[in-house]
Amino acid sequence: QKEVEQNSGPLSVPEGAIASLNCTYSDRGSQSFFWYRQYSGKSPELIMFIYSNGDKEDGRFTAQLNKASQYVSLLIRDSQPSDSATYLCAVGGAAGNKLTFGGGTRVLVKP
Amino acid sequence: NAGVTQTPKFQVLKTGQSMTLQCAQDMNHNSMYWYRQDPGMGLRLIYYSASEGTTDKGEVPNGYNVSRLNKREFSLRLESAAPSQTSVYFCASRWSPEAQYFGPGTRLLVL
Repeated sequence: QKEVEQNSGPLSVPEGAIASLNCTYSDRGSQSFFWYRQYSGKSPELIMFIYSNGDKEDGRFTAQLNKASQYVSLLIRDSQPSDSATYLCAVGGAAGNKLTFGGGTRVLVKP
Repeated sequence: NAGVTQTPKFQVLKTGQSMTLQCAQDMNHNSMYWYRQDPGMGLRLIYYSASEGTTDKGEVPNGYNVSRLNKREFSLRLESAAPSQTSVYFCASRWSPEAQYFGPGTRLLVL
């Protein structure tokens, strides 16, 4: 069974600091990787996606992918209280039709 | 564009009752998905439809049926609700190879 693992947290981060979230996956055939943010009581919203090894930056967010080690990470720079949410890692297989989600990491940014 | 819409937002059922959750998307996406989200369990795929006219089981299909009515609409039916089906249900859609986009969710309580 394909698995995606995340530390459930909470990850407590001071305002202005960098939050570092990690995700590991079991299926070596995985081709696409996504990070979603979910506020309490709301639906997941896409933050970033990454397909190739290396880093991808979008504003304050950086996704890092290492297929050899089967992990993907998300860095949030200059963390703000509005970044307090649960972050879901999702991994897509070779066919790409389905995503497997991790359980999410809860992030708390303290002013 | 409304994106992905779901009805109803909230529902309370008694054990054994039936109901249909509705989902529609106006993004002309080919693929649509139904997930359930339970505390500590993350998002689990119930059923998906890769394209109009096709449906496939996901990770937790027991107790559910789906209908891909047309390209826009994908419904989820509970024939005989059980307390174990108390959850938050999310519909999502996707246009290959992009990420999935989620609706606002339906909160279901089965007594």
